[in-house]
Amino acid sequence: GQQLNQSPQSMFIQEGEDVSMNCTSSSIFNTWLWYKQEPGEGPVLLIALYKAGELTSNGRLTAQFGITRKDSFLNISASIPSDVGIYFCAGPPAAGNKLTFGGGTRVLVKP
Amino acid sequence: GAVVSQHPSRVICKSGTSVKIECRSLDFQATTMFWYRQFPKKSLMLMATSNEGSKATYEQGVEKDKFLINHASLTLSTLTVTSAHPEDSSFYICSAKRPPSLNYGYTFGSGTRLTVV
Repeated sequence: GQQLNQSPQSMFIQEGEDVSMNCTSSSIFNTWLWYKQEPGEGPVLLIALYKAGELTSNGRLTAQFGITRKDSFLNISASIPSDVGIYFCAGPPAAGNKLTFGGGTRVLVKP
Repeated sequence: GAVVSQHPSRVICKSGTSVKIECRSLDFQATTMFWYRQFPKKSLMLMATSNEGSKATYEQGVEKDKFLINHASLTLSTLTVTSAHPEDSSFYICSAKRPPSLNYGYTFGSGTRLTVV
């Protein structure tokens, strides 16, 4: 089946830093979605990307749909403590309806 | 718009009993809903696709007799964990596919924490 490789698995942030995470796929995706999940909650959509090459922002978040349609990245600029959580990339593959999720990037605050 | 309500948010049950989890699309009709399972510190794993008016499609390795899915209306899908055992303890999340009028996409419920004792 389709696999989404998301990296890094975890990262520590210091307030004010920019952070970046990415996803790569073994197959072509029609849509790339980035979600954030808080503990004990379902994922909440942050950004949706629909076209190869598309670059979309949502506040301090910026995501891009790779030209090859097999990758995407998410940037968070000037991080703040409430950015802590788990971020997932997801997408339906070109021939499908079901969402496949990446393994997640756990964003933590530097001690 | 595009709200999905999942109930209950937490449930504790005894081994051998069955538990039903509901997933409702509150302000849109969803012909397709999905059920996921999530283990601690892991990603969401798709269990099955729930189709209104027809049988659910289960992912490989998911026991359909164990996890019964019913999607009897355009706004409600239910997941019943039958004869639950401690290894069924997990976080279960549903999502609903939005119609074209709501830009397609997927809205997730807030999840159900199941603990089997």
